[in-house]
Amino acid sequence: EVQLVESGGGLVQPGRSLRLSCAASGFTFDDYAMHWVRQAPGKGLEWVSGISWNSGSIGYADSVKGRFTISRDNAKNSLYLQMNSLRAEDTALYYCAKDIGSIAAAGNWFDPWGQGTLVTVSS
Amino acid sequence: QSVLTQPPSVSGAPGQRVTISCTGSSSNIGAGYDVHWYQQLPGTAPKLLIYGNSNRPSGVPDRFSGSKSGTSASLAITGLQAEDEADYYCQSYDSSLSAVFGTGTKVTVL
Repeated sequence: EVQLVESGGGLVQPGRSLRLSCAASGFTFDDYAMHWVRQAPGKGLEWVSGISWNSGSIGYADSVKGRFTISRDNAKNSLYLQMNSLRAEDTALYYCAKDIGSIAAAGNWFDPWGQGTLVTVSS
Repeated sequence: QSVLTQPPSVSGAPGQRVTISCTGSSSNIGAGYDVHWYQQLPGTAPKLLIYGNSNRPSGVPDRFSGSKSGTSASLAITGLQAEDEADYYCQSYDSSLSAVFGTGTKVTVL
């Protein structure tokens, strides 16, 4: 069974940093691109970032570009999101999601999703 | 900031048919990118419902169907059931090769 388990969320002050992790199991991790998608409380889904199987192709939403860094460690079957200069508007449930392909190609979809880890940015 | 527009809510009685629209532009759906749909039950993570405009993953009931035309796509639920009460999101890509989601639609079963 494919499983994605996020961790690392918590309460952080504006301007500080946080690193999220996603532990993958049940599939060959280095065969697939991966993504982070977030959902602010009571709001819709927002794609945050995606990374190809070999980290050779990476993309970010404009809202996080320059502040967030996605990475992966295929030896550890893990995906990461380093979040710097956090703002109140970054408060959200952050989901890790598996792409259906090895690169985050246009036309692809996400399946499955983890249960999410909550990030709250507040003083 | 979603670039795909959905109605905030739709409702129907059990057994009825409801449809959810997903309106984009020439830089996303209209550019030929496929549309996918996710169902998010209360308090849970999104789950893939329709992929590639009209394909159902294994296990998804055939009362869910999808279509795409021009710059829009639609999700139809026929024979609405109480368990279908959830939020539904469409997803595609835009010309900057960023994934984009719809604004989301809450389906209420009366």
